[in-house]
Amino acid sequence: AQSVTQLGSHVSVSEGALVLLRCNYSSSVPPYLFWYVQYPNQGLQLLLKYTTGATLVKGINGFEAEFKKSETSFHLTKPSAHMSDAAEYFCAVSHGTSYGKLTFGQGTILTVHP
Amino acid sequence: DTAVSQTPKYLVTQMGNDKSIKCEQNLGHDTMYWYKQDSKKFLKIMFSYNNKELIINETVPNRFSPKSPDKAHLNLHINSLELGDSAVYFCASGASGEPDTQYFGPGTRLTVL
Repeated sequence: AQSVTQLGSHVSVSEGALVLLRCNYSSSVPPYLFWYVQYPNQGLQLLLKYTTGATLVKGINGFEAEFKKSETSFHLTKPSAHMSDAAEYFCAVSHGTSYGKLTFGQGTILTVHP
Repeated sequence: DTAVSQTPKYLVTQMGNDKSIKCEQNLGHDTMYWYKQDSKKFLKIMFSYNNKELIINETVPNRFSPKSPDKAHLNLHINSLELGDSAVYFCASGASGEPDTQYFGPGTRLTVL
């Protein structure tokens, strides 16, 4: 079985500050890891993903995440927050062999203050 | 131009009714999914179809019946709607070569009164 835990249901930062959204996973096989963003009243948009290879992955809108196997983590970061980053962020894990059965975390709402 | 589209966007109905949600993707993908997002924003997979064949069925009540007339469409029919069915339903699609990379539709907010 696989699971995802996102630490902190709400994160608040000032514009220009570092964004750090935490994600820890549990998986019995090498995982595929994803971050999705959901803006209000919209569907989920893929930010970035890790499958194999380089453990630091870059995504859209200046976000990046690092896969750390020893810590079973896949934290999402952005050096400088922008007001437009305010949204809900979901971390997800899959086995890569199960026809796309994604298991999602409970989501983290990011608020950006002026 | 919309990659994954769903209709309707909003659906309000009475308990006991039967309703359908339609999903279409123009990405050329051969795998499609339905997810349910509850009031606490928890997102859980319901079904997955690959080339019109059911691949994943996650302990969803029999009242929910997906139908895939072709690879580009996956509709969700719900019989005898219950209050607990109120949620946002998302359709998604993915390519065989990258089945776990999924592209989501805008969602359908279902409210059962």
